[in-house]
Amino acid sequence: NAGVTQTPKFRVLKTGQSMTLLCAQDMNHEYMYWYRQDPGMGLRLIHYSVGEGTTAKGEVPDGYNVSRLKKQNFLLGLESAAPSQTSVYFCASREQLSNQPQHFGDGTRLSIL
Amino acid sequence: RKEVEQDPGPFNVPEGATVAFNCTYSNSASQSFFWYRQDCRKEPKLLMSVYSSGNEDGRFTAQLNRASQYISLLIRDSKLSDSATYLCVVNQAGTALIFGKGTTLSVSS
Repeated sequence: NAGVTQTPKFRVLKTGQSMTLLCAQDMNHEYMYWYRQDPGMGLRLIHYSVGEGTTAKGEVPDGYNVSRLKKQNFLLGLESAAPSQTSVYFCASREQLSNQPQHFGDGTRLSIL
Repeated sequence: RKEVEQDPGPFNVPEGATVAFNCTYSNSASQSFFWYRQDCRKEPKLLMSVYSSGNEDGRFTAQLNRASQYISLLIRDSKLSDSATYLCVVNQAGTALIFGKGTTLSVSS
C-alpha cells in the first residue's frame, strides 16, 4: 500500500498565484488533515475532514480552502498565495476510532516569492 | 497553558546513554496518547502508542500518569540513529490529535 501520498513534493509560486495540493490515501480512513510546519512552530492544523463531503477549520485556516469530494482525497487550495504561506505542508489520515494514530504523507515544500 | 508541552531540548547524549523525555497535557479528558519521531525535513512517524499500564518496545519505554497528566518516553542504550525530534501527541476524544512542538535528541559517538 502507498499509504498517504502528497503531490506535488516541491513547488515555487509567485505572490498572488493560486494552487492546489493533493492528498490521497488508500487506507479507507475516515479522517484526513492538513498541517503546516514552520521552524520552531511545530505542526499547526489548517483544516480537517471527518468524512466525504465534510470539512472543518483547524488552528490556522485563513488563506486556505479545502475540499473532500471523495473519501480518499483531500485537497488544500491557496487562492492567492502570500509569502507567509511559505512552509512545509503535511497531510495525514486516520481511522475514526480515537485510539488510532495518524499516518502522514511525506510533505510538500512550498515557497512563495 | 499550552495543550501539550514538551521540553524542546536539545538533549545531547553519547551513544549508549539512557535519556528520558517528558510531556504534560492540559485536558484531563484526553483519551489516547502517542510518541512520534520526526527526522529533519521528513514527515512525523509513529514511534509507539502509550498505554495506561505503560509499554515497552525494544529500547523504548513509554509511561502514562493520568493523575498528573504526564507522559514519558525512555530510550535506553541510545544509538546514533536515534537522533531526531520526538513529538508527544494527545487525542482529546476529538477528531484531531494535538501535537507537542517536540524534543530534539542528538546522539554522538
